[in-house]
Amino acid sequence: NAGVTQTPKFRVLKTGQSMTLLCAQDMNHEYMYWYRQDPGMGLRLIHYSVGEGTTAKGEVPDGYNVSRLKKQNFLLGLESAAPSQTSVYFCASSYRGQTAEQFFGPGTRLTVL
Amino acid sequence: AQSVAQPEDQVNVAEGNPLTVKCTYSVSGNPYLFWYVQYPNRGLQFLLKYITGDNLVKGSYGFEAEFNKSQTSFHLKKPSALVSDSALYFCAVTRRETGRRALTFGSGTRLQVQP
Repeated sequence: NAGVTQTPKFRVLKTGQSMTLLCAQDMNHEYMYWYRQDPGMGLRLIHYSVGEGTTAKGEVPDGYNVSRLKKQNFLLGLESAAPSQTSVYFCASSYRGQTAEQFFGPGTRLTVL
Repeated sequence: AQSVAQPEDQVNVAEGNPLTVKCTYSVSGNPYLFWYVQYPNRGLQFLLKYITGDNLVKGSYGFEAEFNKSQTSFHLKKPSALVSDSALYFCAVTRRETGRRALTFGSGTRLQVQP
């Protein structure tokens, strides 16, 4: 039982490049989330999904897109990376929404030069 | 809008002493409140939550938190700190009424337990 896994763990991009971050969970959770963590700012929600085929915007969605084609996977895409997107990205999943604890992946450290 | 304030960037405590990590929240209506812990280079781990009922909530690793509606606080406590408790602690809130699914996190408090 791997829980929540994220690929890759580290990535360095040049401004304007694109990439996709993959999140996978094996707990059959309905809800999945993408956050970014910046120093002194806690975690901020980028996008989330309440089930396969659904996505919704979070607090800081600009510059990111997501897809949830399979229940176990949640992809985060950066179409044209900017230095402001340098951050640590965390994926999380939960069985339900508001009252359920979220399970977090180990994070992806992204640097945009 | 909902928000969380963790007024202390860092809390230092000696091993064996009680610890408190403070959290206050602002939300319209009734809150759901959570505490998470983050160890270096790891994702967040759930500690405890307040949904409804008893204001004193007990969680993992001997931690507890007290919901105080009049002071809009949800402070994390432990009677006797361990060096292994040293980590980054996050308080989070969401609102019950609208079905909003997103958590709003505080900026985090670094707990340092000295041997």
